[in-house]
Amino acid sequence: DSGVTQTPKHLITATGQRVTLRCSPRSGDLSVYWYQQSLDQGLQFLIQYYNGEERAKGNILERFSAQQFPDLHSELNLSSLELGDSALYFCASSASGRGNTIYFGEGSWLTVV
Amino acid sequence: QQPVQSPQAVILREGEDAVINCSSSKALYSVHWYRQKHGEAPVFLMILLKGGEQKGHEKISASFNEKKQQSSLYLTASQLSYSGTYFCGSQGGSEKLVFGKGTKLTVNP
Repeated sequence: DSGVTQTPKHLITATGQRVTLRCSPRSGDLSVYWYQQSLDQGLQFLIQYYNGEERAKGNILERFSAQQFPDLHSELNLSSLELGDSALYFCASSASGRGNTIYFGEGSWLTVV
Repeated sequence: QQPVQSPQAVILREGEDAVINCSSSKALYSVHWYRQKHGEAPVFLMILLKGGEQKGHEKISASFNEKKQQSSLYLTASQLSYSGTYFCGSQGGSEKLVFGKGTKLTVNP
């Protein structure tokens, strides 16, 4: 158990809908990362937050947005869902700064039908 | 920039050794290695920092050539449990951790 909690674990929704994925980082970690992993693909970096502020952005679609709240939990919002958005979405957390170990949650499986 | 991993896939017999390589075209601050089994979360193996510091599991060894921006993960006396996909991730000027495409390792009895 990495200490990073993600909910829901599984989600099935229809095209055009909107979903919210939630992440609670490890106790004491200030940074939260979001990654997307499509079937048998690599880990695509989406976005990173540190103590409530956006720190880095990757290949995140405009239909996707995220935020980190004062209690440090984070949410990833996916809207106008398409079939191609079906993937495993991982949240990860670390202490502040480069060079710290980044721990992954179990992921949220999203299936768009 | 996404680091480049090689080889893409490796098949071993139990007890054999393997080396997985990771290279970047940009100056690196740290290299992170993870193993992922299908449908599961990536599991942290090792982190190598600029300057020589390493943190990770005792049974895992790796190297980081700062001049060449290359890292290698050494898997010795492989066990069945080593099977999975290995990812290297790189951090450069920011905290963003970008992963390579992965190396699929299969260990057979």
